[in-house]
Amino acid sequence: RKEVEQDPGPFNVPEGATVAFNCTYSNSASQSFFWYRQDCRKEPKLLMSVYSSGNEDGRFTAQLNRASQYISLLIRDSKLSDSATYLCVVNHNQAGTALIFGKGTTLSVSS
Amino acid sequence: NAGVTQTPKFQVLKTGQSMTLQCAQDMNHNSMYWYRQDPGMGLRLIYYSASEGTTDKGEVPNGYNVSRLNKREFSLRLESAAPSQTSVYFCASSLGGGGQETQYFGPGTRLLVL
Repeated sequence: RKEVEQDPGPFNVPEGATVAFNCTYSNSASQSFFWYRQDCRKEPKLLMSVYSSGNEDGRFTAQLNRASQYISLLIRDSKLSDSATYLCVVNHNQAGTALIFGKGTTLSVSS
Repeated sequence: NAGVTQTPKFQVLKTGQSMTLQCAQDMNHNSMYWYRQDPGMGLRLIYYSASEGTTDKGEVPNGYNVSRLNKREFSLRLESAAPSQTSVYFCASSLGGGGQETQYFGPGTRLLVL
């Protein structure tokens, strides 16, 4: 089983739509969770961290379910500028480890 | 602040040639990383440096060497390039190690090995 799994999409939605992405991770020892955004031919950038209680940043809401080892990202009122690949990222927080990236989910928002 | 910078942006090599990818950060970060990104594979860690003077292997270290030249700079060397090393290479840095802190990425180096 891959460490971090995401539906690659693409998700094609109209402007204003609500879209949700899901991610599962295999290591129950994972402690830190993130969503990164990557635009075409650009570097990944942190979108938001994911906290146990869930957290919101404007139109973006992230949820974590440790029991099911499942992370989600909800985008409300989609904008054209939201078109990108969204990377689910986890970390085991063990000494000497770095981030484990999912392959990403591609979102295309159209007018 | 420039953040994380990488040189070169693009490079074409012939099989067997060597080259060094340069990375520098001006955020006074302690940890630095090299990733490669291939279509359908996602980002994979090649090497990382938790702090100045230390380096460790990541998931895919074969065919690469690294040098943490000082706190700011972390270079990746391909001694004898192979077509399988055609990829986009990203350098990243974070204030601390352990993955709890945000990693900031450079713009990437696109490498083609013929």
